[in-house]
Amino acid sequence: GQNIDQPTEMTATEGAIVQINCTYQTSGFNGLFWYQQHAGEAPTFLSYNVLDGLEEKGRFSSFLSRSKGYSYLLLKELQMKDSASYLCAVRDSSNDYKLSFGAGTTVTVRA
Amino acid sequence: DTEVTQTPKHLVMGMTNKKSLKCEQHMGHRAMYWYKQKAKKPPELMFVYSYEKLSINESVPSRFSPECPNSSLLNLHLHALQPEDSALYLCASSQDPGSSYEQYFGPGTRLTVT
Repeated sequence: GQNIDQPTEMTATEGAIVQINCTYQTSGFNGLFWYQQHAGEAPTFLSYNVLDGLEEKGRFSSFLSRSKGYSYLLLKELQMKDSASYLCAVRDSSNDYKLSFGAGTTVTVRA
Repeated sequence: DTEVTQTPKHLVMGMTNKKSLKCEQHMGHRAMYWYKQKAKKPPELMFVYSYEKLSINESVPSRFSPECPNSSLLNLHLHALQPEDSALYLCASSQDPGSSYEQYFGPGTRLTVT
C-alpha cells in the first residue's frame, strides 16, 4: 500500500516562493505526479517525476529523491491564482493503473 | 481536444432513485477512471477501465455500477444510494494505463443524496 504525507496548509505572499513537500512509502515506486485543484474544480496535471532530480516547467518545478521517498513542488513568483490545493500522487509499480493521492496541501497566496 | 466532459454537473437524487453519470473523451485514450472525492479530501479511485474492460474495482458497493459502452464513453449507474455517497464524482482518462501518462480529469458531477 501507499502512505503519502504532505502539509495540510501553507500561506505565502504574492511574488514569493513556496515549497510543498511530499513524502511517501511504497512497496514499489513507478512515478510521482503533482496536480493542482482549485476549489470545486477538477485536478489539473502539473508535473511528473520518475527519475531522481529536478523537472522545471515555467514557474513550477518538481524534485524527486527515490532513495529518500521524497518529492517537492516549488512554486515561484506566486500569483493570486495559485491559491489552490496541490495533490501529490504516487503510482505503485505493482499496479500501473492506480494513482494514490496524498491529502493535498492548501496554498493561500496573500497580497 | 484535451477535454474530458461529464454530465450532469449537479445531481440531487433520493435513496430510491436510479440515475446515471456520464463521461466522454475524444483524445483516443484507452484508460478511463471513476473517482469519488469528499470535501477537503483527495480523490479516491473507484473503477478503472482499460481498453473497455474493467481492470480495477476498488471494493466499491454494488449500488455503483460502471459501464464502458465504447472507448470514448464511461457511465456510472447509481441505484439505492445512501446520504454518505454524496460527493464529487470525477471521471479521468489517460492515454494508456500506467507508464508516464498523466490522467486528465473532467469537471466532475456533484452528487447529493437526500
